[in-house]
Amino acid sequence: DTEVTQTPKHLVMGMTNKKSLKCEQHMGHRAMYWYKQKAKKPPELMFVYSYEKLSINESVPSRFSPECPNSSLLNLHLHALQPEDSALYLCASSRTMNEKLFFGSGTQLSVL
Amino acid sequence: QQQVKQSPQSLIVQKGGISIINCAYENTAFDYFPWYQQFPGKGPALLIAIRPDVSEKKEGRFTISFNKSAKQFSLHIMDSQPGDSATYFCAASRASGSRLTFGEGTQLTVNP
Repeated sequence: DTEVTQTPKHLVMGMTNKKSLKCEQHMGHRAMYWYKQKAKKPPELMFVYSYEKLSINESVPSRFSPECPNSSLLNLHLHALQPEDSALYLCASSRTMNEKLFFGSGTQLSVL
Repeated sequence: QQQVKQSPQSLIVQKGGISIINCAYENTAFDYFPWYQQFPGKGPALLIAIRPDVSEKKEGRFTISFNKSAKQFSLHIMDSQPGDSATYFCAASRASGSRLTFGEGTQLTVNP
């Protein structure tokens, strides 16, 4: 299994909603990542977890809250988002932090 | 010092032709240079990567050429096919970290 699975594939939420994005991998990878990608732009790193501990937070607003419940799962909790947060949210994993990244297909998020 | 500049922004090639995408970097500490391919609605997928101890790496129809002194690297796609139509991102990172610095992307269209 060489896949990173993200759910849901699409999400529409209002600015007062609370929602969560989920990511799962079964490759035994110990580093997991959240990226944000706007249309026609490269991915931007948001968070990195290494061995289930938050290793990198790229000064992301607190309305985005990551969680790594175990080595296979990564969540991104969303609360009080703004319309400009609409983007493709990508999860990725790697065996360790310095190794090849495997990306999921992403969650296309629209904030109304 | 963290920038990776990619050109062209878009590229149209006839089937069977050679597609060439160029990137230049500033940070001499970068020592890992991957290329990612992204289809619409999908996450980026690692295509090929090179480290600065070699000047060229070939995998099938895809070749990376690397010029350390000029701080430039390029992707060549030989015998381009319509199925190669996608957005291509170059990237760079330091071996000691996981922060990939992406180029702005090139939208490649291969006409039948």
